[in-house]
Amino acid sequence: RKEVEQDPGPFNVPEGATVAFNCTYSNSASQSFFWYRQDCRKEPKLLMSVYSSGNEDGRFTAQLNRASQYISLLIRDSKLSDSATYLCVVNGGVSGGYNKLIFGAGTRLAVHP
Amino acid sequence: EAGVAQSPRYKIIEKRQSVAFWCNPISGHATLYWYQQILGQGPKLLIQFQNNGVVDDSQLPKDRFSAERLKGVDSTLKIQPAKLEDSAVYLCASSPGADTSHNYGYTFGSGTRLTVV
Repeated sequence: RKEVEQDPGPFNVPEGATVAFNCTYSNSASQSFFWYRQDCRKEPKLLMSVYSSGNEDGRFTAQLNRASQYISLLIRDSKLSDSATYLCVVNGGVSGGYNKLIFGAGTRLAVHP
Repeated sequence: EAGVAQSPRYKIIEKRQSVAFWCNPISGHATLYWYQQILGQGPKLLIQFQNNGVVDDSQLPKDRFSAERLKGVDSTLKIQPAKLEDSAVYLCASSPGADTSHNYGYTFGSGTRLTVV
């Protein structure tokens, strides 16, 4: 089983739609969770952290379900500029006393007019 | 604040040749990471440095890949000899400390796109 699993998509949605991405992780000891955004041929950039209580940043809402080891990202009122790949990222545990982040393969979103 | 600098941006080499990539992290960042991202996949950690020491190189193919961060600042990643399957984007990232990545994630450089032919 992969450490972080995502539906690769693509999700093709019209402008203004609401779209949700899901992610599951295998390490129950993971403590930190993030969503990164990666545009075509660019580096990944941090979109938002995911907190146990859930958190919202404008049109973006992230949720964490520790019992099911499941993370979600909801995008409301999709914009053309939201077209990108969304990477689910999980703290992969401690190696040599240091944390490392494990990346999923990403979910591709295409927003069309 | 200047970001993570990487060079070169692109590199095309023949298989069995050698290649080196360079990374300069954000000033003051103690932790430096090299990731490999193959097309269609997420980034995979190759090696993690804390200052000039290696803390995780469990997924580094040590028969052909090597990395160093001699003065605890910039870093080089080398492949010798390259194989076709090494074609990927090599991303460098840094964070103020290994514990802060726990809370704040990483900042990535723009990457080096390697094509092995």
